[in-house]
Amino acid sequence: DQQVKQNSPSLSVQEGRISILNCDYTNSMFDYFLWYKKYPAEGPTFLISISSIKDKNEDGRFTVFLNKSAKHLSLHIVPSQPGDSAVYFCAANQGGKLIFGQGTELSVKP
Amino acid sequence: KAGVTQTPRYLIKTRGQQVTLSCSPISGHRSVSWYQQTPGQGLQFLFEYFSETQRNKGNFPGRFSGRQFSNSRSEMNVSTLELGDSALYLCASSLVGKLHSYNSPLHFGNGTRLTVT
Repeated sequence: DQQVKQNSPSLSVQEGRISILNCDYTNSMFDYFLWYKKYPAEGPTFLISISSIKDKNEDGRFTVFLNKSAKHLSLHIVPSQPGDSAVYFCAANQGGKLIFGQGTELSVKP
Repeated sequence: KAGVTQTPRYLIKTRGQQVTLSCSPISGHRSVSWYQQTPGQGLQFLFEYFSETQRNKGNFPGRFSGRQFSNSRSEMNVSTLELGDSALYLCASSLVGKLHSYNSPLHFGNGTRLTVT
């Protein structure tokens, strides 16, 4: 059973608009969540993280929101740029190991 | 500062053989983790080493093993290779001992693409 789910395999957004990537989890014991971005033939690159004691963390164009009651987190990218086109993974910390979602492929069109 | 370095980048092996993959963490990072990425299963945790000790282990068979050296460099070994072991193997390092603390996320290398024929 998947403890971290990204239900949208792909997302297409116009340049300059907002991209919203979603992630759901099942285990309320997760205490730390991260978003990674991955280009083909490269390893995942850390983007932003959030502790379970917070509900929002912002870093430049990237904001992560955490809704613990709904067991849901989202990544907002504003404004979206063509260089943001990549696969985005959310991950949750479970006792020192990361549990990853299946990824969402974001395509930002000029 | 150099990132996480994995060698080799590509590897082709046949069933039944064994393979050793190498990872050099970011300088100063003492925690090294290994992940397997496949199209069907996504990114899955293999194991994590800190100060030469395996601290955490995922749900993989005993054919998958690893070790860490005193300079924090790590190797993973897969014995008796199966076709299903074909995957991208990713190594990641982290700065501090407390994993995934707010200021110490994992930093990944570009992986070793293993193909088993």
